[in-house]
Amino acid sequence: DVKVTQSSRYLVKRTGEKVFLECVQDMDHENMFWYRQDPGLGLRLIYFSYDVKMKEKGDIPEGYSVSREKKERFSLILESASTNQTSMYLCASSFGLEKLFFGSGTQLSVL
Amino acid sequence: QKEVEQNSGPLSVPEGAIASLNCTYSDRGSQSFFWYRQYSGKSPELIMFIYSNGDKEDGRFTAQLNKASQYVSLLIRDSQPSDSATYLCAVPGSGGSYIPTFGRGTSLIVHP
Repeated sequence: DVKVTQSSRYLVKRTGEKVFLECVQDMDHENMFWYRQDPGLGLRLIYFSYDVKMKEKGDIPEGYSVSREKKERFSLILESASTNQTSMYLCASSFGLEKLFFGSGTQLSVL
Repeated sequence: QKEVEQNSGPLSVPEGAIASLNCTYSDRGSQSFFWYRQYSGKSPELIMFIYSNGDKEDGRFTAQLNKASQYVSLLIRDSQPSDSATYLCAVPGSGGSYIPTFGRGTSLIVHP
């Protein structure tokens, strides 16, 4: 069974902390995505990666960075967490233009 | 920039009725379309995809595509309370991009 695994389901952090969100997929997909989802705003793309060490900014990259050192792992980094980064974070992967497989999501609260 | 538009709802239908969810898109070159279902507090999962004009049926779900009018719809027959969720329409990437474009989703409520 295909799987996209996000390291934490719920996370609580303090303002100013550095936060790492990890995502691992076992399907050998080239493409990996990080989205955030807020009520009424739908899915917003933060970053996209199409290969190891390759990345593209999405619609809302400010305040975030990413790392993809291995094909199966895509990390989202909040350099200095702020309260407006409280959100549901969803990782996804895909092969080419095929459907996205999503992880179960991380609900991040920044206090 | 590609756009995908959906009515945010909520769309409320009685149990057993047909729920009709609509999506319009801006890119005439779009070739395929996906429908994802997202339960509250969960992540999206694909339920239907359609590549060609006309209807595609899968159980109680029917996807309809009209490329000339640039809309795609999802019909749910014999709606059940368990169908209550947000339905996201998505257009895959194009022109060398693998980034899909999602609509904001339509909330469906099926009441007993």
